[in-house]
Amino acid sequence: GESVGLHLPTLSVQEGDNSIINCAYSNSASDYFIWYKQESGKGPQFIIDIRSNMDKRQGQRVTVLLNKTVKHLSLQIAATQPGDSAVYFCAVAGHTGGFKTIFGAGTRLFVKA
Amino acid sequence: IAGITQAPTSQILAAGRRMTLRCTQDMRHNAMYWYRQDLGLGLRLIHYSNTAGTTGKGEVPDGYSVSRANTDDFPLTLASAVPSQTSVYFCASSEQGADTQYFGPGTRLTVL
Repeated sequence: GESVGLHLPTLSVQEGDNSIINCAYSNSASDYFIWYKQESGKGPQFIIDIRSNMDKRQGQRVTVLLNKTVKHLSLQIAATQPGDSAVYFCAVAGHTGGFKTIFGAGTRLFVKA
Repeated sequence: IAGITQAPTSQILAAGRRMTLRCTQDMRHNAMYWYRQDLGLGLRLIHYSNTAGTTGKGEVPDGYSVSRANTDDFPLTLASAVPSQTSVYFCASSEQGADTQYFGPGTRLTVL
């Protein structure tokens, strides 16, 4: 079955630096990938998504990169701010096996002032 | 209301008691989900529903039941709560299965 893993459980960056959070998945049939942000005491919140027919997508200060060859995706946050401190989850979905979405365990991002 | 709501916000429950966590969405989404979130284990799917009238089991369904009588509501019931069900429970919805999910604020449940 599908598994989703994050490379680091925690990441600490200096305010103003760029952050990169990585995620690996196992099922090559996965075709939809989502990043969520979860602040303390709140539910996960959608940040950005990408479909398998793309390898890069940009939002406001965030970029998602998808490498289907090695089954890896990353979330890049430009000019990281204290408000970016949260847990970030990648989620991988596929239209096989019953439309399932699998979440990674999450990376906690600490932003140092 | 706009989005997805959950009730109660938190609850302390004696073991053996029955408890229903409520979830309502007003986005007319077809699919709804229940997750539990435990420290170090991320989000684990309990049950899901791809459309009103249908439900399915997720990764950790034992001890939980759901119903989907209409599009908007997706209650989660613990028939006889046990301490291992102490967790934060999140309800989510999406337009269709495998689409972006929108999460509620969560219910923090403690079973003593």
